[in-house]
Amino acid sequence: EAQVTQNPRYLITVTGKKLTVTCSQNMNHEYMSWYRQDPGLGLRQIYYSMNVEVTDKGDVPEGYKVSRKEKRNFPLILESPSPNQTSLYFCSSSPHRDSYGGYTFGSGTRLTVV
Amino acid sequence: RKEVEQDPGPFNVPEGATVAFNCTYSNSASQSFFWYRQDCRKEPKLLMSVYSSGNEDGRFTAQLNRASQYISLLIRDSKLSDSATYLCVVKDSNYQLIWGAGTKLIIKP
Repeated sequence: EAQVTQNPRYLITVTGKKLTVTCSQNMNHEYMSWYRQDPGLGLRQIYYSMNVEVTDKGDVPEGYKVSRKEKRNFPLILESPSPNQTSLYFCSSSPHRDSYGGYTFGSGTRLTVV
Repeated sequence: RKEVEQDPGPFNVPEGATVAFNCTYSNSASQSFFWYRQDCRKEPKLLMSVYSSGNEDGRFTAQLNRASQYISLLIRDSKLSDSATYLCVVKDSNYQLIWGAGTKLIIKP
């Protein structure tokens, strides 16, 4: 089944403790991105990657890092999480950035930083 | 001003009714347009793309008005299973997706 897999689904952590949220897709998509979703706001892009070893900042990159060493994986790293990073996170992929069709999303990671 | 604006709702609609949502966007150079559906605490899923000439998929009809910069979604004969949040999405000239905050729809029996 074609899908984007995110882990973990839920995570509660303490301020300053490094964490990684994994994202993997099995569709051989070139384009992958991370979003956060907060109440009353649309999804906001954190980082995106157009292909292996090519990443760039989205609208809200502060406090996040990413890497794209393999085409299928695009982990999101929070080196020193803070409470304002408490949010619902989604990873997505599409064949290319300018694909006309929609994006496929992972099931989401609900992160709470205390 | 938000780049993509939607009425947050909620819209409380009886089963079988017709309901319409509008969405406005600010960037006239926007290239493509979508409606996504998001169930509570789940990931967004593509409902339909929106074409310039308007398009229909079963009970769902999407319209685009480039001159007025708005997109609409019409749901006919609404079902209980249509209850969800509907997200308006615009792809700008840099191929970036700009998301509305969503309109919540509640279909009541």
